Amino acid sequence: NAGVTQTPKFRVLKTGQSMTLLCAQDMNHEYMYWYRQDPGMGLRLIHYSVGEGTTAKGEVPDGYNVSRLKKQNFLLGLESAAPSQTSVYFCASSYEVAGVVDTQYFGPGTRLTVL
Amino acid sequence: GQNIDQPTEMTATEGAIVQINCTYQTSGFNGLFWYQQHAGEAPTFLSYNVLDGLEEKGRFSSFLSRSKGYSYLLLKELQMKDSASYLCAAVGGMNRDDKIIFGKGTRLHILP
Repeated sequence: NAGVTQTPKFRVLKTGQSMTLLCAQDMNHEYMYWYRQDPGMGLRLIHYSVGEGTTAKGEVPDGYNVSRLKKQNFLLGLESAAPSQTSVYFCASSYEVAGVVDTQYFGPGTRLTVL
Repeated sequence: GQNIDQPTEMTATEGAIVQINCTYQTSGFNGLFWYQQHAGEAPTFLSYNVLDGLEEKGRFSSFLSRSKGYSYLLLKELQMKDSASYLCAAVGGMNRDDKIIFGKGTRLHILP
């Protein structure tokens, strides 16, 4: 039982390049999330999904796209990376209980630098 | 609007007790989480309060007052390994799209 895994762990991009971050969970969770964490800003929600085939925007969705084609995977895409997207990205997943979000389990994070 | 406030930093001494406060404003409320995050690592779950009152779990306790929009995390018998950031997070929203809203975290420094 690996929990939540993220690939890659580190990445350096040049401005304008694209990349996809992969999140996988083996806990059969319905909900999955992508956050970014910057110094002094806390965790900010980028996009989330309440089930396979569904996605929704969070607090800071601009410049990112997501897909949830399989229940266990949640992909975060950067189409044209910008230096402002330099951050640590965390994926998380959770159950829902009676329609309410339950405890979130976080992946180890991806440290992305955009030059 | 939706907002979570908690102190940016706190310092305490090994063996002592520290209380980290959190106030929240959300449209709808379905519970409050506390997470611990060591530097360079992912957040990990500490506690979840839905009803008013104190929940105790070993050295850590969490309190909630829904009417006041207030919670605190109490850490007893502090150890050096408790040096970390503590994140308060409220479950807001009114429907199935409930989201967890995180505070900016309180960085706790433990002195020997």
